[in-house]
Amino acid sequence: GIQVEQSPPDLILQEGANSTLRCNFSDSVNNLQWFHQNPWGQLINLFYIPSGTKQNGRLSATTVATERYSLLYISSSQTTDSGVYFCAVTSSGTYKYIFGTGTRLKVLA
Amino acid sequence: DTEVTQTPKHLVMGMTNKKSLKCEQHMGHRAMYWYKQKAKKPPELMFVYSYEKLSINESVPSRFSPECPNSSLLNLHLHALQPEDSALYLCASSQIAFPRLAPSGTQYFGPGTRLLVL
Repeated sequence: GIQVEQSPPDLILQEGANSTLRCNFSDSVNNLQWFHQNPWGQLINLFYIPSGTKQNGRLSATTVATERYSLLYISSSQTTDSGVYFCAVTSSGTYKYIFGTGTRLKVLA
Repeated sequence: DTEVTQTPKHLVMGMTNKKSLKCEQHMGHRAMYWYKQKAKKPPELMFVYSYEKLSINESVPSRFSPECPNSSLLNLHLHALQPEDSALYLCASSQIAFPRLAPSGTQYFGPGTRLLVL
């Protein structure tokens, strides 16, 4: 089945810094989402982005489907950005979302 | 409304108890999902319902019994659980694409139920 890997696994930033999170997948995808899981466990939708580029405030995402990766950009990070970031994909051969390994982000004040 | 609700938020149960987790959505989604998440791990799929029929069971032990009474509700019945079943249980929903009934579009998650089995 499709493999989904995220990097880096852990990231510590000072407030105000920028960062790039990466999601690599081993097969073509039909759906791709980025989530932020807050400390209480809630998975918050950030982007639905199987291809192309989207922006929402300080966050933006780009998926290059032909090269099998997606990037999540966080600019001017805030302490509330702390948590775990997951990408999740479905491929043409599956009927379910597969989650990546996650990036654990800590933003220091 | 893009909300998925789950009850209860927290649950403590003994190994001989029977309990149920509930999930509800009113987005008209025809796919609903149960996931299990252990600490510091990504969510793992347990079950998928498509049009109120069980379409995927990821080899989950029979002590977990899902039910989809209608297109808005999803239950997970728990019986004779083990301490290693303690985890965060997440419900989600999404649209389905025809004709293959594969997931389509954004998947929305509920806030989860934190389960502790003693």
